[in-house]
Amino acid sequence: DSGVTQTPKHLITATGQRVTLRCSPRSGDLSVYWYQQSLDQGLQFLIQYYNGEERAKGNILERFSAQQFPDLHSELNLSSLELGDSALYFCASSVGSGTGGGDGYTFGSGTRLTVV
Amino acid sequence: QQQVKQSPQSLIVQKGGISIINCAYENTAFDYFPWYQQFPGKGPALLIAIRPDVSEKKEGRFTISFNKSAKQFSLHIMDSQPGDSATYFCAASNNNDMRFGAGTRLTVKP
Repeated sequence: DSGVTQTPKHLITATGQRVTLRCSPRSGDLSVYWYQQSLDQGLQFLIQYYNGEERAKGNILERFSAQQFPDLHSELNLSSLELGDSALYFCASSVGSGTGGGDGYTFGSGTRLTVV
Repeated sequence: QQQVKQSPQSLIVQKGGISIINCAYENTAFDYFPWYQQFPGKGPALLIAIRPDVSEKKEGRFTISFNKSAKQFSLHIMDSQPGDSATYFCAASNNNDMRFGAGTRLTVKP
């Protein structure tokens, strides 16, 4: 157990729908990062939050949004879903504010999203 | 733009052999080079990391070799085991950026 908790583990939904993925960072970590991993693809950085504020943005679609709450958990909202959004979505956390993660990220186990 | 190039894309090694995965980076401002190991259905986990002030770091069967002038680094897995079968990602980072390689799928045959 990495200490980063992601729910749900699996999600199946139809095109056009909206879903919310949840992440609780490791205790003491203030930064949360969201990554997308498509089949046989690498890790694509979506967005970072640090202590409730957006810190950095990557290749995140306008249909996607995220936020970090006062208790530091984060949610990634995906709307108007398309078949191509099917992927593994990972949350990672780190102590510091840097997008580079300091001494590396701690990843959660991911949410597998299937859009049908 | 891809700032970390990783090769090979896939690798098959016999049990007991040496697995070697290579990465090259472009941004000389990177100062931390981690390797992540990912098993199917799991998140990437930090395996070993190096900073550019040393040329080699060894942890058990895993060794990172780092060549600062060539902007290259590699992961060596000695005495590879079937349990090492996973996808390996290299990364390069500094305080403001983290870039991952595309990943190498390693299969160790018994």
